[in-house]
Amino acid sequence: GQSLEQPSEVTAVEGAIVQINCTYQTSGFYGLSWYQQHDGGAPTFLSYNALDGLEETGRFSSFLSRSDSYGYLLLQELQMKDSASYFCAVSESNDYKLSFGAGTTVTVRA
Amino acid sequence: DTEVTQTPKHLVMGMTNKKSLKCEQHMGHRAMYWYKQKAKKPPELMFVYSYEKLSINESVPSRFSPECPNSSLLNLHLHALQPEDSALYLCASSRQGGTGELFFGEGSRLTVL
Repeated sequence: GQSLEQPSEVTAVEGAIVQINCTYQTSGFYGLSWYQQHDGGAPTFLSYNALDGLEETGRFSSFLSRSDSYGYLLLQELQMKDSASYFCAVSESNDYKLSFGAGTTVTVRA
Repeated sequence: DTEVTQTPKHLVMGMTNKKSLKCEQHMGHRAMYWYKQKAKKPPELMFVYSYEKLSINESVPSRFSPECPNSSLLNLHLHALQPEDSALYLCASSRQGGTGELFFGEGSRLTVL
C-alpha cells in the first residue's frame, strides 16, 4: 500500500512564507506532485518533482528528497487568494495512477 | 484550449434512477480519469482510460459504469446508487502517465436521495 502524510491545517498572514511538508511511503516512486484546490473548485496542478532538488515557479517552489521520502511546497509572499487546500500526490510508476495525500488547508489572514 | 468540461454541474437522483455524467477534453490527451471526492477529503481514483481502453479500475462497485466513446469523451453511467455515493465527481486528463500532471474539470456534484 501507500501512505502520504501532510499537516491538516496551516494559518499565516499576508506576505508570510508557508512550507507544507509531505512524507510518503509507497511501494514504488516515480514523482511527487502538488495541487491547489479552492473551495468549490477543481484541483489545479502546481508542480511535479521526479528528481531531488528544488523547482521554482513564481511564488511557489517545490522540493524533493527521494532518499528521505520527503517533499515540500513553499508558498512565498502569501496572498489572500492562496487560501485553499493543497494536496501532495505520488506517482508510483509511469502508469496513470496518482494517489493523493489528505490535504493541507491553508488560511491566509490579513 | 486547456479545459476539461464536465456536465452536468449538479445532479440529484433517486436510488432507482439511471443517469450519466459526461466529460470532454480537446487537448489531445490520451489518458482520462474519473475521481470521486467527498467534502474535506482528497480525490480518490475510480477509473483510468488510456488510449480509449480501461487501464485502471480501483475496485469500483458495478453501479458505476465508465465508457470512453472516443479519445475526447468520457462518460460515467450511474445506476442504483446509494446515498453514500453523493460526492463531487471529477474528470481529469493527462498527456501521458508518470508526469503527475492532471488537468481536472470543475466536477459534477451528485446528490443521491
